[in-house]
Amino acid sequence: EPEVTQTPSHQVTQMGQEVILRCVPISNHLYFYWYRQILGQKVEFLVSFYNNEISEKSEIFDDQFSVERPDGSNFTLKIRSTKLEDSAMYFCASSEALRGETQYFGPGTRLLVL
Amino acid sequence: GENVEQHPSTLSVQEGDSAVIKCTYSDSASNYFPWYKQELGKRPQLIIDIRSNVGEKKDQRIAVTLNKTAKHFSLHITETQPEDSAVYFCAAHARQLTFGSGTQLTVLP
Repeated sequence: EPEVTQTPSHQVTQMGQEVILRCVPISNHLYFYWYRQILGQKVEFLVSFYNNEISEKSEIFDDQFSVERPDGSNFTLKIRSTKLEDSAMYFCASSEALRGETQYFGPGTRLLVL
Repeated sequence: GENVEQHPSTLSVQEGDSAVIKCTYSDSASNYFPWYKQELGKRPQLIIDIRSNVGEKKDQRIAVTLNKTAKHFSLHITETQPEDSAVYFCAAHARQLTFGSGTQLTVLP
């Protein structure tokens, strides 16, 4: 069964550094998402992406964040200048359609900002 | 924006008993309500979902009910087993998927 994959599984970085988290969505899916989960808390929506554009973004997704689909398979989340509070698990997800469709989650990237 | 409230935050049941988790949502435009199970350090896994044109859905030991008028939906797990122990999240989808705060379910053998 196809799955969403993410790399790296863990990332440690210094505050102020840029990080890029990578995701490979399920191949026939058209909608892509990033979520964040701070340890012990709920999953929070960051951004949705369709047809090479952001569809929706949350208040968390400020100017420090950007997303890109650099080729036909990868979907990336960039954090330009990391802050301590960016430490979290970041999940990528994908779905066939936007509304009323199942979103399948990747295994996550655990980001630790020191 | 959408607000999803989930209760209880923790739930302990004896093996074989039923577990019920309840959620309410605020945005009447929400039309899709998935439930995810998350084991420690793992990804959220969809266990069941329901769309707004349906009032109830069942899959083996798991069932979900939806009351659109009251804007609440519930997860029911019957004949619980120790492997059901995990954090369960409800979610509601209007313009984006909004998650509840999670329920730590512990099934005691």
